[in-house]
Amino acid sequence: GDSVTQMEGPVTLSEEAFLTINCTYTATGYPSLFWYVQYPGEGLQLLLKATKADDKGSNKGFEATYRKETTSFHLEKGSVQVSDSAVYFCALSDRRGSSNTGKLIFGQGTTLQVKP
Amino acid sequence: DGGITQSPKYLFRKEGQNVTLSCEQNLNHDAMYWYRQDPGQGLRLIYYSQIVNDFQKGDIAEGYSVSREKKESFPLTVTSAQKNPTAFYLCASSIDPGGASGYTFGSGTRLTVV
Repeated sequence: GDSVTQMEGPVTLSEEAFLTINCTYTATGYPSLFWYVQYPGEGLQLLLKATKADDKGSNKGFEATYRKETTSFHLEKGSVQVSDSAVYFCALSDRRGSSNTGKLIFGQGTTLQVKP
Repeated sequence: DGGITQSPKYLFRKEGQNVTLSCEQNLNHDAMYWYRQDPGQGLRLIYYSQIVNDFQKGDIAEGYSVSREKKESFPLTVTSAQKNPTAFYLCASSIDPGGASGYTFGSGTRLTVV
């Protein structure tokens, strides 16, 4: 079945460092891809998304490009802040044939800690 | 502002007791979902509903039940048959029943067995 694999955390960076969180996926068809962020004790917030190959999603300085050839959707940010400390989830929309099932499949999450 | 409201934020359950978690949305979304989150793990789908009066089991439906009598509401009951219910429960909705637009999440309910 479809699946999402994220790099293990925690990822610890100093403020203003460059961030990459790796995400690869296995899927049949052409899923939509997402990055969600979760702050402590809260629900998940949609950070960005991409719906087809070569699309770049971006929001709040974060970017990710849908790479079909490498089945990847890595999250990047040029300069992280302490306020970016959170858990980041990569996800894909589950598909069966040419239709979406309505379900999202999530990775395990990667904890980011940014130190001042 | 539109959004999803989950209540209560914290819930304590005694052994053998059923409890119901509330999820209400005013986004006019057709599809709603319940996920369970355990420490250090991803999200696992419990139940989902793409339209009123219809719902489907997710990957871990045993010990849980839901109803979808109104578009705005999708309550989750954790029954005594759920042997390990302590977890963080997240409700979500989507304007697109296919899920390709992504979800809007509530702020979660933390359930603890005492």
